[in-house]
Amino acid sequence: AQSVTQPDIHITVSEGASLELRCNYSYGATPYLFWYVQSPGQGLQLLLKYFSGDTLVQGIKGFEAEFKRSQSSFNLRKPSVHWSDAAEYFCAVGLNTGTASKLTFGTGTRLQVTL
Amino acid sequence: EPEVTQTPSHQVTQMGQEVILRCVPISNHLYFYWYRQILGQKVEFLVSFYNNEISEKSEIFDDQFSVERPDGSNFTLKIRSTKLEDSAMYFCASSPDRGTDTQYFGPGTRLTVL
Repeated sequence: AQSVTQPDIHITVSEGASLELRCNYSYGATPYLFWYVQSPGQGLQLLLKYFSGDTLVQGIKGFEAEFKRSQSSFNLRKPSVHWSDAAEYFCAVGLNTGTASKLTFGTGTRLQVTL
Repeated sequence: EPEVTQTPSHQVTQMGQEVILRCVPISNHLYFYWYRQILGQKVEFLVSFYNNEISEKSEIFDDQFSVERPDGSNFTLKIRSTKLEDSAMYFCASSPDRGTDTQYFGPGTRLTVL
């Protein structure tokens, strides 16, 4: 069965500093990979996705992620963090099952930004 | 930009009562999903729905749960007899196609079972 691991439960960075959130997946085939962000009390907003092709994908809000098949990783990066980026970030892998698909989420990384 | 909407935003109920959580998926989407997130835990898949039938359900989705698309716009999750452990945030999602297409999530309904 597929699984997603986000090893960092909580990360604190200073505003303006760079950010990398780690995500490792376990899946037998080429995965569909996603990063979602959840602000307090809010739903899940898609940041970016990887299906195939270029392994470096760009997303919204200045985020990017790189798919590395050899490391089974899909780490999220941002060169300069803003205070408004404080939120919980979820990595997810998509699996086609029969006539639909489902997402398996990691446990999330809570990002705190200090001024 | 089209959005998935969910009502109510917060539902409080007594244990053993029935609740219906409502979702309006994005209008041209064909695949619908429910996920839940117990406080402090990860988001978990409950069920997927396509062509007016369940495509897949998780172990969590037992006989107490049901889903329905009663008309052309709504997609509902019913919990027949709520338990304390059903307290969670329930997210509805939709996608235009399966597989590579993105699932768009609603803002969630926080269910509190007392």
